[in-house]
Amino acid sequence: AQSVTQLDSQVPVFEEAPVELRCNYSSSVSVYLFWYVQYPNQGLQLLLKYLSGSTLVKGINGFEAEFNKSQTSFHLRKPSVHISDTAEYFCAVSEASGTYKYIFGTGTRLKVLA
Amino acid sequence: ETGVTQTPRHLVMGMTNKKSLKCEQHLGHNAMYWYKQSAKKPLELMFVYSLEERVENNSVPSRFSPECPNSSHLFLHLHTLQPEDSALYLCASSQDSGTLYGYTFGSGTRLTVV
Repeated sequence: AQSVTQLDSQVPVFEEAPVELRCNYSSSVSVYLFWYVQYPNQGLQLLLKYLSGSTLVKGINGFEAEFNKSQTSFHLRKPSVHISDTAEYFCAVSEASGTYKYIFGTGTRLKVLA
Repeated sequence: ETGVTQTPRHLVMGMTNKKSLKCEQHLGHNAMYWYKQSAKKPLELMFVYSLEERVENNSVPSRFSPECPNSSHLFLHLHTLQPEDSALYLCASSQDSGTLYGYTFGSGTRLTVV
């Protein structure tokens, strides 16, 4: 079985500063990894995903994430955040065999301060 | 209308009421999901339908009853709920298991059981 841990429940950061949101996973099989964002009063939206190949993946809104197999991590980064990035961010993992379920983390609330 | 649409956006119901949540997707996807989102907890997968057949049922109490009449519509019928069932209920859809393109989520129904 897989599990996902998002180590920080809340991350405050000033506008235009860099940010890293941490995600660690555990699994006995190969996995695919995802980051989703949820803006207030909305559903989740896919930011980026890692399936295979290059370990650095780029997503929408200037976000990127790096897959590190040895550390079983998939941290999300952005070099310069905007007020509009204030949202909740969810890391998720699914088995590479293509089952119909993701395992989601508990989420990290990113608060960008002016 | 495009994407995944959920109605109603907000619902308050008593413990003896019967109500239904509706989800509609206009993306041509062949899989649909119900998730429960409670504060401070990971998203909980409730039901998965693939090609209108239920493929996953994560030990959800029988007071929640899903229905998928066709590949575009998904319902969640509710009866004799408990206060702890108050949460945001999210519908999602995907093409196949969602590993290649991710899930598309609706904006959710905020359910309050009184």
